[in-house]
Amino acid sequence: GQNIDQPTEMTATEGAIVQINCTYQTSGFNGLFWYQQHAGEAPTFLSYNVLDGLEEKGRFSSFLSRSKGYSYLLLKELQMKDSASYLCAVRDSNYQLIWGAGTKLIIKP
Amino acid sequence: NAGVTQTPKFRVLKTGQSMTLLCAQDMNHEYMYWYRQDPGMGLRLIHYSVGEGTTAKGEVPDGYNVSRLKKQNFLLGLESAAPSQTSVYFCASKSGRGDTGELFFGEGSRLTVL
Repeated sequence: GQNIDQPTEMTATEGAIVQINCTYQTSGFNGLFWYQQHAGEAPTFLSYNVLDGLEEKGRFSSFLSRSKGYSYLLLKELQMKDSASYLCAVRDSNYQLIWGAGTKLIIKP
Repeated sequence: NAGVTQTPKFRVLKTGQSMTLLCAQDMNHEYMYWYRQDPGMGLRLIHYSVGEGTTAKGEVPDGYNVSRLKKQNFLLGLESAAPSQTSVYFCASKSGRGDTGELFFGEGSRLTVL
C-alpha cells in the first residue's frame, strides 16, 4: 500500500528552528509537496520538490531524498503565525496525490 | 480575485437527506477536485475532473456524485446522507498546464450529519 508518515505534533519556541520530517512509500514518484493549514482554514501551497536536494524559499526550506523516501520542511526564525498544521503529499505514478495526516506545529513564546 | 469559492460553509443534515456542495473557481483551471478531511487522516480524494464534462472517481467515491457541466463549477452531491459523511469538504483546482501541480483550495465546507 501507499503510505505517508509524519509526526502528529511538534512544539517549538518562537525565534528557533524546527524540522518536520516526512517519509513515504508510494507507487512511483512524481514530486513531493508541502502545504500549510491554519486551524479552520484551507491548505496553502508551500513548496514542491521533484529532484534531490534543498529548495529554499525565504524562512522555509524543503529537502528531498528520493532514494530514502524522505523529505523534511525546515522553518527558521519561527513566528507565532507559523503555528499551523503542515501537510506532506506525494504525487504517485498515476499523478494522484497521497496525503500525510499532517503535523501540528505549536509555537511557544 | 476570488480564487476558489465553496458554498455553503456550514450545513447540518439529518440521515437520509440530500444536498449539493458547490465549488466555483475563476482561474480558468482545467482540473478540479473534491476532498474530505477527517481528524487524524490525510486528505482523501472523493472525485475529480480533468476538464469540463468529465468526472472520475477518487479514493472514497461511494455515497457521492459529481458534475462538471461548466468549466468553472464542480458540484458534489450527497443523495442520502449518512453520519459517516460528517466531515470537512475541500474543493481544489489546478491549471494542469506544465506547472508544478500546485493546488488552490477553497475555504472548506463543514458538514454534520445527525
